[in-house]
Amino acid sequence: DMKVTQMPRYLIKRMGENVLLECGQDMSHETMYWYRQDPGLGLQLIYISYDVDSNSEGDIPKGYRVSRKKREHFSLILDSAKTNQTSVYFCASSVPGQGNTEVFFGKGTRLTVV
Amino acid sequence: KTQVEQSPQSLVVRQGENCVLQCNYSVTPDNHLRWFKQDTGKGLVSLTVLVDQKDKTSNGRYSATLDKDAKHSTLHITATLLDDTATYICVVGDRGSALGRLHFGAGTQLIVIP
Repeated sequence: DMKVTQMPRYLIKRMGENVLLECGQDMSHETMYWYRQDPGLGLQLIYISYDVDSNSEGDIPKGYRVSRKKREHFSLILDSAKTNQTSVYFCASSVPGQGNTEVFFGKGTRLTVV
Repeated sequence: KTQVEQSPQSLVVRQGENCVLQCNYSVTPDNHLRWFKQDTGKGLVSLTVLVDQKDKTSNGRYSATLDKDAKHSTLHITATLLDDTATYICVVGDRGSALGRLHFGAGTQLIVIP
């Protein structure tokens, strides 16, 4: 069963704290993504990873960094969280090099920064 | 600037009725277009993908069209069920590989009532 798993599902942090969002996939997909979803907006790409230690900024990388040390895991890190980083974060994975490649999404992590 | 516009923003239909969701976009190039279903608090699940200049797909009660000349797509849901209550998201891919970017609409919230 192909799956993208995100942990935790819900998280409340104080402003200034560090935040670690974890994502795993069991499909050996090379490409993984972090998006955030805010009300009234489409998903916005934060970072994309093409494989281990091969990461690129997306459209809104400021305030975030990522780590990919194993193909199966892709972490999103917020150093000193801000209230405007309150959002739902989605991890996704896909197979590169195929036309119209399907993207598989996790169930999301709802982060609240107070 | 939003490159993928969906309408209506929200829609309420009675169980058994049909409905049509619209997606207009300005993404260039437009390699493919995918419709996702997002249940409340869940991740995105792919319903169908459209690729050709003028394309049609069918997946059970879901059918979709794409006209790349008009940069327009529709998602038809026939004989709606209560479980169809969800947000439907239109996504345009500007390439056929993971090197491309996905451009997300903000979604249409569909509510099916008894």
